[in-house]
Amino acid sequence: DIQMTQSPSSLSASVGDRVTITCRASQGISNYLAWYQQKPGKVPKLLIYAASTLQSGVPSRFSGSGSGTDFTLTISSLQPEDVATYYCQKYNSALFTFGPGTKVDIK
Amino acid sequence: QVQLVESGGGVVQPGGSLRLSCAASGFTFSSYGMHWVRQAPGKGLEWVAFIRYDGSNKYYADSVKGRFTISRDNSKNTLYLQMNSLRAEDTAVYYCAKDLYSGYDWPFDIWGQGTMVTVSS
Repeated sequence: DIQMTQSPSSLSASVGDRVTITCRASQGISNYLAWYQQKPGKVPKLLIYAASTLQSGVPSRFSGSGSGTDFTLTISSLQPEDVATYYCQKYNSALFTFGPGTKVDIK
Repeated sequence: QVQLVESGGGVVQPGGSLRLSCAASGFTFSSYGMHWVRQAPGKGLEWVAFIRYDGSNKYYADSVKGRFTISRDNSKNTLYLQMNSLRAEDTAVYYCAKDLYSGYDWPFDIWGQGTMVTVSS
């Protein structure tokens, strides 16, 4: 089975900082990669799919890139409401593995 | 509006069984693949099971294969998860979730609020 890893596991940044989270698949998954945001006590929310397509209603400060095995989620200017755990997920071939998550908070 | 509402969670002894339900509304349920995802307390997300829009194919995580069964009743707009031989490590919030689009290989755009399952003696 394909494994998903994320780095870092947590980070602390200042409001306005550019934040980058990395996700790696143990085998190539083309662009079948999604990013979710889960705020404390809340349900996960889809941010990005097909590696770089912004889901409707998601602020443009979020962006995604990558293909194959290496992917990134970037928040161009961190806002207080972005405090959350971010998960990547592969979704091809009817197996839907999540990464372990990256916790983002404000310094 | 598009909504998923889970029910059926509770406390069960190890080795016991439980059936979860997920009532869907606000979209054409019979056109979308559906999933169960769980989250143990303080832990990350774990995909559990997937069923195609017509129930023709079902897929499971290795951790639940042979113990859990996903099913759906499109006439009732309801998704189910039958959980047997429950273990302490199955303790989690269980979410149902909907595919973003009809067809194959899509992420999950709508999630329910979750139902808590606790396996404990």
